[in-house]
Amino acid sequence: SQKIEQNSEALNIQEGKTATLTCNYTNYSPAYLQWYRQDPGRGPVFLLLIRENEKEKRKERLKVTFDTTLKQSLFHITASQPADSATYLCALDDPSNYGGSQGNLIFGKGTKLSVKP
Amino acid sequence: DGGITQSPKYLFRKEGQNVTLSCEQNLNHDAMYWYRQDPGQGLRLIYYSQIVNDFQKGDIAEGYSVSREKKESFPLTVTSAQKNPTAFYLCASSIVSGQSNYGYTFGSGTRLTVV
Repeated sequence: SQKIEQNSEALNIQEGKTATLTCNYTNYSPAYLQWYRQDPGRGPVFLLLIRENEKEKRKERLKVTFDTTLKQSLFHITASQPADSATYLCALDDPSNYGGSQGNLIFGKGTKLSVKP
Repeated sequence: DGGITQSPKYLFRKEGQNVTLSCEQNLNHDAMYWYRQDPGQGLRLIYYSQIVNDFQKGDIAEGYSVSREKKESFPLTVTSAQKNPTAFYLCASSIVSGQSNYGYTFGSGTRLTVV
């Protein structure tokens, strides 16, 4: 069966450290993978998109890697701050299921990150 | 400001009642989506639409209905046939393009509770 798993339900780290979140998937062949941030009671906010032919992408303190052989994406926040505390969702497209040039997104359950001062 | 607006923020439904959740976007996006989020679960797709007057069922469409009469609007009706409607409902929109570097834009959500 198809699955997308974010390995930790919760991750607690100290301010200033690097947070690393993991997203694994099985039985999908995504063309791209996305990461979102969600605060309590709010809708997710798009952070980064990485394509299958890209190994790494960066945006300010954020870095995403995408390994299609391991079927895994890693999401890093360097020099983490308490304001980074939120739930982070990974999502991938599934063109085989819905067709079209952009398949609909399948979301993981999220990892709740807490950054302690 | 461009964005996507969901209303109301909170909604209470009595047993056997139909309710409609509003979703409006001014981003000129072609595609719109409805997701349901329950505690401990990922977002699950209810319906999506890639063009006006056309929409497709997602994974959990039973008990829900939608319409797409205008590009800007994609209302969701939760019918009495939906047995467990209490959840957080999220509307999203996106560019329909395989070359897009942008993800989905989500609304702030509607929390529906059955009373």
